[in-house]
Amino acid sequence: QQPVQSPQAVILREGEDAVINCSSSKALYSVHWYRQKHGEAPVFLMILLKGGEQKGHEKISASFNEKKQQSSLYLTASQLSYSGTYFCGTAQLNSGNTPLVFGKGTRLSVIA
Amino acid sequence: DAGVIQSPRHEVTEMGQEVTLRCKPISGHDYLFWYRQTMMRGLELLIYFNNNVPIDDSGMPEDRFSAKMPNASFSTLKIQPSEPRDSAVYFCASSPTGLAGGKAGELFFGEGSRLTVL
Repeated sequence: QQPVQSPQAVILREGEDAVINCSSSKALYSVHWYRQKHGEAPVFLMILLKGGEQKGHEKISASFNEKKQQSSLYLTASQLSYSGTYFCGTAQLNSGNTPLVFGKGTRLSVIA
Repeated sequence: DAGVIQSPRHEVTEMGQEVTLRCKPISGHDYLFWYRQTMMRGLELLIYFNNNVPIDDSGMPEDRFSAKMPNASFSTLKIQPSEPRDSAVYFCASSPTGLAGGKAGELFFGEGSRLTVL
């Protein structure tokens, strides 16, 4: 079951904040976030495990609400280098050995 | 350490031709994944291997697609015959921990092979 990401795209000016959401209809064990710059490979940002974790990576943080099966990625004081497409990948609870299923991505553009 | 290495980076071919994409995973990683990325569908898992054995190929779109992993350091994804709708970026990724009870490990992606079928 592919997770749903919103928004599909967002444009920010440097220094502005953004929130990217990822939701699933299935009970989740973990949510993973990746960033892909244009023409490059996706790069791992962080994993959040069930338990309501919140993690941070530089000025990028994320939360996981297991009751709602939702995760949010917070980008604060955005920089030009944050531009790219952000993907969430989900691992379902009690699904045995299954790989990540990725959302369609959120394209973030940071302009000067 | 070298990351995941894919080749070719770009491939342009004509409909009906055979296409072979290659991947060298990170040494010591037991899991290898093939993903396809398109604008419409995002990142789709095609197939994955554990210790060179194919585990789940339910994402392979048709019999025209096949994948092999003859040893721990090499995998191929073959499309025969290719069609225009196969045009996409194909990513190979490897993982040290893979999967355990629903907990997927961090994926290390290669730079992808951009395929264009005319």
